[in-house]
Amino acid sequence: DTGVSQDPRHKITKRGQNVTFRCDPISEHNRLYWYRQTLGQGPEFLTYFQNEAQLEKSRLLSDRFSAERPKGSFSTLEIQRTEQGDSAMYLCASSTGTFGNQPQHFGDGTRLSIL
Amino acid sequence: QKEVEQNSGPLSVPEGAIASLNCTYSDRGSQSFFWYRQYSGKSPELIMFIYSNGDKEDGRFTAQLNKASQYVSLLIRDSQPSDSATYLCAVNPLGYSTLTFGKGTMLLVSP
Repeated sequence: DTGVSQDPRHKITKRGQNVTFRCDPISEHNRLYWYRQTLGQGPEFLTYFQNEAQLEKSRLLSDRFSAERPKGSFSTLEIQRTEQGDSAMYLCASSTGTFGNQPQHFGDGTRLSIL
Repeated sequence: QKEVEQNSGPLSVPEGAIASLNCTYSDRGSQSFFWYRQYSGKSPELIMFIYSNGDKEDGRFTAQLNKASQYVSLLIRDSQPSDSATYLCAVNPLGYSTLTFGKGTMLLVSP
């Protein structure tokens, strides 16, 4: 059973640049979630997909953020015009089911550092 | 605002002792509760989940849920130094499809 895979593991970029992260969920999981975690905090929800449909976005997800999940398989999270405050660990998780009560399994995360 | 509260710690216990980690939540309708372990610099790892009032045991771990008191706990028996990590409590509020996390409790197990 292959776990959730995220790429890249680390990303260092200059303020104002665009960045894109990829997440490959566990193969039989239809739900895919994106979270952001900063030091000393728990993960904070950003958005989630059920199959290819993006069903919910958090208020944290400003218009500089966009996420896709074409064909209901892998997902990408893009941040445009990065800011210092975007520095965080970006976590992807996946689960089965059609409700939010199923356990979510996390990938290793992408650590973003904005110079 | 759905809130999940945890004592940030650190909670220090000697090797072999029982570690007790606690979590309270604000949404009375919450149905599903999860405990994740997170080592420094790593991602959260699911260790337990519980849906019904009472206890659920898995190896050295026991999750306890009391919905009337809006309280969920995690007991770790025979604590080992390798259990030293931050433990995150997560709650799925009723009608939501996502998890609300607490800030985590740091556990330190000394040899």
